[in-house]
Amino acid sequence: KNEVEQSPQNLTAQEGEFITINCSYSVGISALHWLQQHPGGGIVSLFMLSSGKKKHGRLIATINIQEKHSSLHITASHPRDSAVYICAVLWYNTDKLIFGTGTRLQVFP
Amino acid sequence: EAQVTQNPRYLITVTGKKLTVTCSQNMNHEYMSWYRQDPGLGLRQIYYSMNVEVTDKGDVPEGYKVSRKEKRNFPLILESPSPNQTSLYFCASSFLSGDSYNEQFFGPGTRLTVL
Repeated sequence: KNEVEQSPQNLTAQEGEFITINCSYSVGISALHWLQQHPGGGIVSLFMLSSGKKKHGRLIATINIQEKHSSLHITASHPRDSAVYICAVLWYNTDKLIFGTGTRLQVFP
Repeated sequence: EAQVTQNPRYLITVTGKKLTVTCSQNMNHEYMSWYRQDPGLGLRQIYYSMNVEVTDKGDVPEGYKVSRKEKRNFPLILESPSPNQTSLYFCASSFLSGDSYNEQFFGPGTRLTVL
């Protein structure tokens, strides 16, 4: 069983739709990252959070430590949001980063 | 411009021929890390470093070495590469604020093929 599970694995949406990507983890963590990997391969950090909620533009990330669950929301999705979104957790007390296998999002005009 | 650079970006080599992939950051970050990305397996951490002369194993350290002699550089060394090390490699760095981590900045990736 993977320590970090993401759902769905693949997601297709029409431009303008509200998108939710989920991340569940089974270990104690000190922080959680959401990353975006562009079709060209580059990786960008979107959020790092350890509690509550963060917002940046059309992106919102939430985390529930008790339920070991985080969500990434994209409002008013756009074709340029098409990418792989990766959740990663910083394993408490080990400093190791464990990744989910990613969610591939395609947004069509 | 704040960035993490990796060299080379692409490398094809043969089994057993030692190689080094360099990683350098210009942001004075304490934390640096190496990852490999494989289809179906996602990203996995190879080694990380909390500061100069401090390195530790990640999830998949076998077959790799690292060193952190200077704060800005964190080279990944494959002493005797094998075909199962064919992968896409990323270096990343971040600030450490006391015990707290911050967002990671990733290099552009190095695509390595071992024949």
